[in-house]
Amino acid sequence: GAVVSQHPSRVICKSGTSVKIECRSLDFQATTMFWYRQFPKQSLMLMATSNEGSKATYEQGVEKDKFLINHASLTLSTLTVTSAHPEDSSFYICSARQGVYGYTFGSGTRLTVV
Amino acid sequence: AQKITQTQPGMFVQEKEAVTLDCTYDTSDPSYGLFWYKQPSSGEMIFLIYQGSYDQQNATEGRYSLNFQKARKSANLVISASQLGDSAMYFCAMRDAGNNRKLIWGLGTSLAVNP
Repeated sequence: GAVVSQHPSRVICKSGTSVKIECRSLDFQATTMFWYRQFPKQSLMLMATSNEGSKATYEQGVEKDKFLINHASLTLSTLTVTSAHPEDSSFYICSARQGVYGYTFGSGTRLTVV
Repeated sequence: AQKITQTQPGMFVQEKEAVTLDCTYDTSDPSYGLFWYKQPSSGEMIFLIYQGSYDQQNATEGRYSLNFQKARKSANLVISASQLGDSAMYFCAMRDAGNNRKLIWGLGTSLAVNP
């Protein structure tokens, strides 16, 4: 079946540094990639939607300059958290859409900013 | 606006019994899709079952079945013969009708299976 590889699974970084999270579709071409943020015991919150070769569409309230999304190819999308602060600590998860019905999720990244 | 409502923050079920997790939705689009996902404590999102708005029959996948009542706009998940490994968060989602077809999510239900 379709697989999305997300790395790293866990990362601890110092406040003020940047962190890059990668999502790669291994055996299919991802038309669209969704990036979510999830706080403990809460639902998924969509941050942005990216389509290959075009600029990401950010949800209202999400800082574009802080959460940089690049979708340079049909198999790779990245989320960079710039100048991270403790409040950016969260669980980040990507989801690739394949066709109309297929949504394949990465395994998620737990980011801790100290 | 499209919306998913899950009114059960937490549910308990005895092992080997069946449990129903509620989900209601709101949309004006005649074509839509409904999904259920399971999220264990590890965080991964596991696809369970899909129901299309034009599907004539309720979807079933092993121990999972979807009780689709279109007129009531409900898409409840039924888990039969609960197992300890079913303890997790369960999310209902609906495919947005827009170009990107993003998923609209419910708040989730935390299910605990007791031995």
